[in-house]
Amino acid sequence: KAGVTQTPRYLIKTRGQQVTLSCSPISGHRSVSWYQQTPGQGLQFLFEYFSETQRNKGNFPGRFSGRQFSNSRSEMNVSTLELGDSALYLCASSLVGTAYGYTFGSGTRLTVV
Amino acid sequence: GENVEQHPSTLSVQEGDSAVIKCTYSDSASNYFPWYKQELGKGPQLIIDIRSNVGEKKDQRIAVTLNKTAKHFSLHITETQPEDSAVYFCAASDGGGADGLTFGKGTHLIIQP
Repeated sequence: KAGVTQTPRYLIKTRGQQVTLSCSPISGHRSVSWYQQTPGQGLQFLFEYFSETQRNKGNFPGRFSGRQFSNSRSEMNVSTLELGDSALYLCASSLVGTAYGYTFGSGTRLTVV
Repeated sequence: GENVEQHPSTLSVQEGDSAVIKCTYSDSASNYFPWYKQELGKGPQLIIDIRSNVGEKKDQRIAVTLNKTAKHFSLHITETQPEDSAVYFCAASDGGGADGLTFGKGTHLIIQP
């Protein structure tokens, strides 16, 4: 059974650019959640999608957005990148949209220069 | 919102000894408490979880205890092995997926040979 797949694994972008990250959940999982991981702030909730609908969003600026497709794959977008956006971005999938038994991907390491 | 405190930030133990990591939470509505292990270059992996209607749960060398009155929960690893070296995160949630998990800042567990 394939796990959660995140692409790309590594990205280097310049301040002011935008970036799109992709997450393919475990087959059959309908919920995808995104987290930002930094050494200073730890793991912070970005947003959660269930059946193509964003159900909630964490305390992040509007530059952070996402979407989910009918096949449950999800993308997140960060516009006008800032140096502080450098982080490991993780997505987690779950079967029915609860926090029970999240499965995380390996993440996308974004570096903003 | 929920706040999760985790201690210690670093824990060094001799191989074969036990390790204990402690977390406290603030929101009495939280009813789901998972523990994740993160190895270098990988996403967090769920190792054990507990719900608020249970006081203790064991899985081989790993156990979690929950004290709802005091709002704290702990991870116990017995007979530690080199492969237990990793960063461990506790988290709390009200069980619904929409608000995600609130994570502690992590404990770097080092197993000394």
